Amino acid sequence: GAGVSQTPSNKVTEKGKYVELRCDPISGHTALYWYRQSLGQGPEFLIYFQGTGAADDSGLPNDRFFAVRPEGSVSTLKIQRTERGDSAVYLCASSFQPGLAGPILQETQYFGPGTRLLVL
Amino acid sequence: GQSLEQPSEVTAVEGAIVQINCTYQTSGFYGLSWYQQHDGGAPTFLSYNALDGLEETGRFSSFLSRSDSYGYLLLQELQMKDSASYFCAVKYYGNNRLAFGKGNQVVVIP
Repeated sequence: GAGVSQTPSNKVTEKGKYVELRCDPISGHTALYWYRQSLGQGPEFLIYFQGTGAADDSGLPNDRFFAVRPEGSVSTLKIQRTERGDSAVYLCASSFQPGLAGPILQETQYFGPGTRLLVL
Repeated sequence: GQSLEQPSEVTAVEGAIVQINCTYQTSGFYGLSWYQQHDGGAPTFLSYNALDGLEETGRFSSFLSRSDSYGYLLLQELQMKDSASYFCAVKYYGNNRLAFGKGNQVVVIP
């Protein structure tokens, strides 16, 4: 596809439920990032994948959050036992592999439209 | 600490020039990036400064001074479509995450 896609665009769930958010990166991008954005704030880093492996998951707030990228393309962010405080826009971004492209290309992250999660 | 500070909101008329500042407190990072985000939309890359100085991309310019821990984005010949939030972000040495500031909302009026 032309850009990063994310599904669903909106998700409403009840406290305590499990949710999965999907990200489809730009074809050829080996780096994939998840961010969370609250109203009036900048995106907050959650996790970074290089290929299939999570190279940096230090931004995940707790063990209720988990993400996978089994084939090095599509990624799923999973949230267990959702809480009202998890309500936010979850953004996915992809980029070329850092270090293998020119400085502008490797620094540019292409964001998807986000999934708006509301936990009631 | 590592934080990026941005003022919150600015209103300007079409055709005007707006400067959005970004101050940070960090010692080591690869460069300063700027992203634009329209309401309900995805952040979109605008500009990147790896070295000190001015980078110009059309109506937008970005500046970085590592010695002053300061950067700015300059929006010239403002258009209505420039109404959006603008975020500065850095990528720190040792990882590939982007750390974003809180953003600055620009409102362009006729």
